[in-house]
Amino acid sequence: DVKVTQSSRYLVKRTGEKVFLECVQDMDHENMFWYRQDPGLGLRLIYFSYDVKMKEKGDIPEGYSVSREKKERFSLILESASTNQTSMYLCASRPTRGVNTEAFFGQGTRLTVV
Amino acid sequence: QQQVKQSPQSLIVQKGGISIINCAYENTAFDYFPWYQQFPGKGPALLIAIRPDVSEKKEGRFTISFNKSAKQFSLHIMDSQPGDSATYFCAAPNAGYALNFGKGTSLLVTP
Repeated sequence: DVKVTQSSRYLVKRTGEKVFLECVQDMDHENMFWYRQDPGLGLRLIYFSYDVKMKEKGDIPEGYSVSREKKERFSLILESASTNQTSMYLCASRPTRGVNTEAFFGQGTRLTVV
Repeated sequence: QQQVKQSPQSLIVQKGGISIINCAYENTAFDYFPWYQQFPGKGPALLIAIRPDVSEKKEGRFTISFNKSAKQFSLHIMDSQPGDSATYFCAAPNAGYALNFGKGTSLLVTP
């Protein structure tokens, strides 16, 4: 059973803090993604990675960075948290085996920045 | 940036009715169009997907219809049940392996 595990379900952080969101997958998938989900805006891609130490910007990378030191782990970093980064963050992974493969999501981390 | 436009934003259907959600895309590097279902407090999960070498795919009560010339695809839920109440997202792949999602449709099936 594929599992994508996000380290926290809920987080409350203060403005200006550096925040780390961790994601681990156990299916040896090459591709990992961070999305942000907001009501009425759907899922928006922040960053993705197709290999260890590789990263690509998504649609809304400003204010975020990522790290992928091991294949199974993909971290999202908020360098200086702001209130407009309060959101639900979803991690996903997807294998590189043809183009019609399923993406698997974690349960999400609901981040509140106060 | 691949745009995926999804409608309606919300939908209320009576039990036993048909739920229809529509999506339109601009361009896509790959021909693969999935629908994801999300329940409150959970991450999205794949519901059904289509490759457009066929115009329709059916899995149980769920059907995807695809119109390549119009760049549109839709999800039909037949005999809708209260347990189908969830948020539904369509998606299309970008040049990499990321998926671009629509804004979602909140479906409520009333008893």
